[in-house]
Amino acid sequence: AQSVTQPDIHITVSEGASLELRCNYSYGATPYLFWYVQSPGQGLQLLLKYFSGDTLVQGIKGFEAEFKRSQSSFNLRKPSVHWSDAAEYFCAVGAREDTGRRALTFGSGTRLQVQP
Amino acid sequence: DSGVTQTPKHLITATGQRVTLRCSPRSGDLSVYWYQQSLDQGLQFLIQYYNGEERAKGNILERFSAQQFPDLHSELNLSSLELGDSALYFCASSVGPLGPGYEQYFGPGTRLTVT
Repeated sequence: AQSVTQPDIHITVSEGASLELRCNYSYGATPYLFWYVQSPGQGLQLLLKYFSGDTLVQGIKGFEAEFKRSQSSFNLRKPSVHWSDAAEYFCAVGAREDTGRRALTFGSGTRLQVQP
Repeated sequence: DSGVTQTPKHLITATGQRVTLRCSPRSGDLSVYWYQQSLDQGLQFLIQYYNGEERAKGNILERFSAQQFPDLHSELNLSSLELGDSALYFCASSVGPLGPGYEQYFGPGTRLTVT
């Protein structure tokens, strides 16, 4: 079974600074990888996804993520953070093979705080 | 707006009661997933339906059940409610089972409070 680790529970950055949120996964092969963002009181919004191909994927709101097979990582990055980026970020993995289970396994989330 | 709708937005009920949460997927999506988000367990997959049939089960309690109707909306039934069932319940939908182009889109959630 797959699992996801987000080592940082809480991160604070200054507005305009760069951001990197870490995600490590455990899976026997290359999984499907996702980053979602959840603003307070809201549902989850898909930021970006990786299925195959180019290991650097671009998403919405200026976010990007890089899949590194050797490190089993899929870290999320943004070059310049805006105050509106304050939210909780979830990394998720999905199994490739047809096990019948086609749902996502989520990490525990990283709460991002942005200082003015 | 993801296109996935969930009702009600909030629900407050007492222990031992039964409630029904409703989800309408995005237009054209055949797969519906239910997730539970709580402070101690995080986001956990409960159950998946695809075109009316159950496809996968996760950490769903026996007191919980779900179904997907011919018009593709889904309902999650929670019975004999306990305080620990208080959580945010999300519905997600996708065109098909998880795969390239079949990413999941989440609804706004139903916040259930059991008193």
